[in-house]
Amino acid sequence: GEDVEQSLFLSVREGDSSVINCTYTDSSSTYLYWYKQEPGAGLQLLTYIFSNMDMKQDQRLTVLLNKKDKHLSLRIADTQTGDSAIYFCAEGGNTGKLIFGQGTTLQVKP
Amino acid sequence: SAVISQKPSRDICQRGTSLTIQCQVDSQVTMMFWYRQQPGQSLTLIATANQGSEATYESGFVIDKFPISRPNLTFSTLTVSNMSPEDSSIYLCSVPLAVQETQYFGPGTRLLVL
Repeated sequence: GEDVEQSLFLSVREGDSSVINCTYTDSSSTYLYWYKQEPGAGLQLLTYIFSNMDMKQDQRLTVLLNKKDKHLSLRIADTQTGDSAIYFCAEGGNTGKLIFGQGTTLQVKP
Repeated sequence: SAVISQKPSRDICQRGTSLTIQCQVDSQVTMMFWYRQQPGQSLTLIATANQGSEATYESGFVIDKFPISRPNLTFSTLTVSNMSPEDSSIYLCSVPLAVQETQYFGPGTRLLVL
């Protein structure tokens, strides 16, 4: 079945760039998403990319998609302590259902 | 983005009881989804709430345990029946936006079963 994999933990220093990686198996995925979840909070949609794109930039966020390798990454430039959270990648198709990765905990050290 | 609200935001319940969670959206949406996030885990889709017909459940989830209602295009309920401590989770509803096909989530309902 479909599967989405992420590394579980990333630690960076404030001001550095963070890169969170994700791999997925469903080649029919139409959209790929990045969500942020802060402690005790809900799920915030950060950004998404259509499967026919290979890059999307939105302020400090850059999403790269390698469809051939089924690899998705989220780069956060100038990482701040407020970026500390769990980041989930998810894939979805035309059904609207999403399959989530396990989440990557980003720790930002001052 | 859609405004999605859920009630209750959190609850503590006794085993064997049932809890109904409400999800309200500020615009009409065709599909609504219910997810579960167990402690320290990722999100798993429970079911798709279809307006005017029965919900469609994912593998491992059954109607008797998680009955769902969808009386109109802006509202849905999920009931967690005959609860056990294993049902302690965050329950979230989500809706896709037709134009962008993006999915937004409600704030979640934090359930603790004792």
